[in-house]
Amino acid sequence: SQTIHQWPATLVQPVGSPLSLECTVEGTSNPNLYWYRQAAGRGLQLLFYSVGIGQISSEVPQNLSASRPQDRQFILSSKKLLLSDSGFYLCAWSVFGVLYTEAFFGQGTRLTVV
Amino acid sequence: DAKTTQPPSMDCAEGRAANLPCNHSTISGNEYVYWYRQIHSQGPQYIIHGLKNNETNEMASLIITEDRKSSTLILPHATLRDTAVYYCIVKGSGSRLTFGEGTQLTVNP
Repeated sequence: SQTIHQWPATLVQPVGSPLSLECTVEGTSNPNLYWYRQAAGRGLQLLFYSVGIGQISSEVPQNLSASRPQDRQFILSSKKLLLSDSGFYLCAWSVFGVLYTEAFFGQGTRLTVV
Repeated sequence: DAKTTQPPSMDCAEGRAANLPCNHSTISGNEYVYWYRQIHSQGPQYIIHGLKNNETNEMASLIITEDRKSSTLILPHATLRDTAVYYCIVKGSGSRLTFGEGTQLTVNP
């Protein structure tokens, strides 16, 4: 069966520090991968998605970047965090190349920038 | 992908049916309607999807109007554990998957 791992669950980082959040998927090949951010009391904002290794689509210009170094690994990074980067970050995957497919989400990382 | 419109919040009494509406008037022929829910501080969970026929599973029923411009998610006997944010999404064959603000459903005892 497929599983998605996302870590850490919580993170407190000072302003200006770097960030690296990792997400890995098991039990499937060539998945679509997604990073979302959710501010308190708000909906999910799509940040990046990827349909293959090295293929990243960015949705919103921001202080963040994403990379996909391996088929089932998706990394969210920042060189210098801002206070506005605080939020709940969610990784998700879906099956590639089919019309209907549901997305499966990790448990999320709650990031607080102080 | 088509845009969706949902009420920001709804209340429902425990044991009663919860009917959550979604408007997707710009939906195109090959786009599916998906519903997810997000319980506080967790990742969203898939509930159900449909193209043009009504669908039912162990969690909910999905009613899609004949013109496909709107749909309703029905939780037949809401429980306190159904309190969550419910997202209606319309998606075609592309990989991009976006969520709106959803509807906060509160089930009251």
